[in-house]
Formats: sequence, structure tokens, C-alpha cells
Amino acid sequence: DTAVSQTPKYLVTQMGNDKSIKCEQNLGHDTMYWYKQDSKKFLKIMFSYNNKELIINETVPNRFSPKSPDKAHLNLHINSLELGDSAVYFCASSQTGDGPQHFGDGTRLSIL
Amino acid sequence: QKEVEQNSGPLSVPEGAIASLNCTYSDRGSQSFFWYRQYSGKSPELIMSIYSNGDKEDGRFTAQLNKASQYVSLLIRDSQPSDSATYLCAVNIRNNDMRFGAGTRLTVKP
Repeated sequence: DTAVSQTPKYLVTQMGNDKSIKCEQNLGHDTMYWYKQDSKKFLKIMFSYNNKELIINETVPNRFSPKSPDKAHLNLHINSLELGDSAVYFCASSQTGDGPQHFGDGTRLSIL
Repeated sequence: QKEVEQNSGPLSVPEGAIASLNCTYSDRGSQSFFWYRQYSGKSPELIMSIYSNGDKEDGRFTAQLNKASQYVSLLIRDSQPSDSATYLCAVNIRNNDMRFGAGTRLTVKP
């Protein structure tokens, strides 16, 4: 059983479009995260949620809007996509706020 | 100063040797520390967690933490070609906020 699952795995779209990435975890964890990994492979935190509540918003443009309908799901909606948004986006979860995180397989977003 | 810094590498070791990976962090209040392995095109995979000063061993892997020096390291003994990957140091600078280093690419040559 997949612990942290993201869909879609690949997303190819044009500049200016709006897209969403979904994330679900079946580990019973309270905290979920979104990370962006750019072409230089640097993994940077974007958001963290604890029990559906936003905890960290790491100076992400407001074109990015996370939504957590329940503690097992954290979706990411991106408006007006730009070339610089091309990256791999990883969802992760952890049992506690200071514990190890488990990552999904990532969503590779390519902007044409 | 970056929050988490690693030797950028790449690091190349022969099969059977010890690979040593280093990491420093800037936030003295950090409490939990992790090493992840990431194969090309894959997601980060947890290798080790360490929370207190000293050494922690798990199979061929040993993590070392020195909070006074703000230093974390990972030793891989008897390195295998399958250990070739990028190793990411991660530090929880506060609850729900983990920061990663830029990663060190390790190549183990047969």
C-alpha cells in the first residue's frame, strides 16, 4: 500500500494555465508538507499543515494555494503558471512536527 | 549563511571504503536531524534520524551529531555501488519546519 500518494505524476501545461496536484497519506499522520525541488535538486519547503491548519507558508507567491480538506489530504492549486514553476513538487507527511517525514513519489511539472 | 550546508561534492569512493558526508546548520535551537538518500528521479528516502549528541548506528550507517559545533555527519561503511545517490541532510529548525541541505552526490566505484 502506498503511504503518501500524489497525482498526477507528470503535468505538462502552458504558461498562464491553472493546475492542481493532489496528495493523500494513509499513515494516520497529523502533519503534511509541500516541497519544491528545482533543477539544481535543492529541496525547499513551501507549506506545512498540522491537522488541517496552515503552520508554515515559506514566502510562496499567492498564486500557490494549498487546501487541506482533512488531515489525510493536502492539495496544491497553482494559478497563472509561470516558466519558473517548472520543478518537481513533493508531498510529505510526518507523525509529529519534529519527526521524520515520508515523501510521495513527486509530481514533475513542466511549463511550456 | 544558509540554514543547512553540505559539502556539495561530488564524492567518489571505491567499493568497500568508508564514505563520509558532512553537514552544518545555523539554528542552534534545532532539535531533530535526518539523513535522506535520493536516487535520480526518485523521492527522498529516510536513512537515519538522530536527536541527541553522539553516534547512532544502523547497519552500515552511522550518524553523528555534535550540537555544540552544529554539525551532523553520516558515515557509510563498506560502501556498495548501490549506495551511489544524492544524500540530503535535513534539520527541523522548529516544529513542522524542516530545511534541507543542497545534497552531496556520492558515487561508489566497483
